Amino acid sequence: ELKVEQNPLFLSMQEGKNYTIYCNYSTTSDRLYWYRQDPGKSLESLFVLLSNGAVKQEGRLMASLDTKARLSTLHITAAVHDLSATYFCAVTGGSNYKLTFGKGTLLTVNP
Amino acid sequence: NAGVTQTPKFRILKIGQSMTLQCTQDMNHNYMYWYRQDPGMGLKLIYYSVGAGITDKGEVPNGYNVSRSTTEDFPLRLELAAPSQTSVYFCASSRGLAGGRQETQYFGPGTRLLVL
Repeated sequence: ELKVEQNPLFLSMQEGKNYTIYCNYSTTSDRLYWYRQDPGKSLESLFVLLSNGAVKQEGRLMASLDTKARLSTLHITAAVHDLSATYFCAVTGGSNYKLTFGKGTLLTVNP
Repeated sequence: NAGVTQTPKFRILKIGQSMTLQCTQDMNHNYMYWYRQDPGMGLKLIYYSVGAGITDKGEVPNGYNVSRSTTEDFPLRLELAAPSQTSVYFCASSRGLAGGRQETQYFGPGTRLLVL
């Protein structure tokens, strides 16, 4: 059974600081997805990482994938309040039709 | 494009009642999904479909049924509602690629269901 673990689950940080969210998964996968969810809203796609060593950046967020370590990171640079949200990673496992989601990381950026 | 739309946005059901959650996408995606989201638990897959007429169970299918008669629509049926089905339900769709892979999933706005 594919397991996806995120840590930390809760992250409170100050504006201007840097931090990293980690996503570990238990079986081989060739695609990893990051989503953002604002409170009471739906999920929005941030990144799709397709291969080992893939790196994608959008604004203050940068995601990377190490398929050998079964690890993806979401790095936040110089956080701003607008980044406050819950971030999910998701992985395709044995069946490529399905995604398995981590429990999410609730990020709060304080002034 | 409206993307993925869901109705209703919110519903209160009494125990034992039934209802259908509607989901429609206008992106011509072949893959469609139903998830439920409970606080602190991430998303759990209920059912999915890889094309019209093809559906399969996900992680938590008990108490639910689906059908997919068209590419656009993927309704979720709750029979005999129970308090454990109180949750937020999200429908999603994606474009399938060769080898069963898929592009990213696009999510609808969600349906909040309360069973009392």
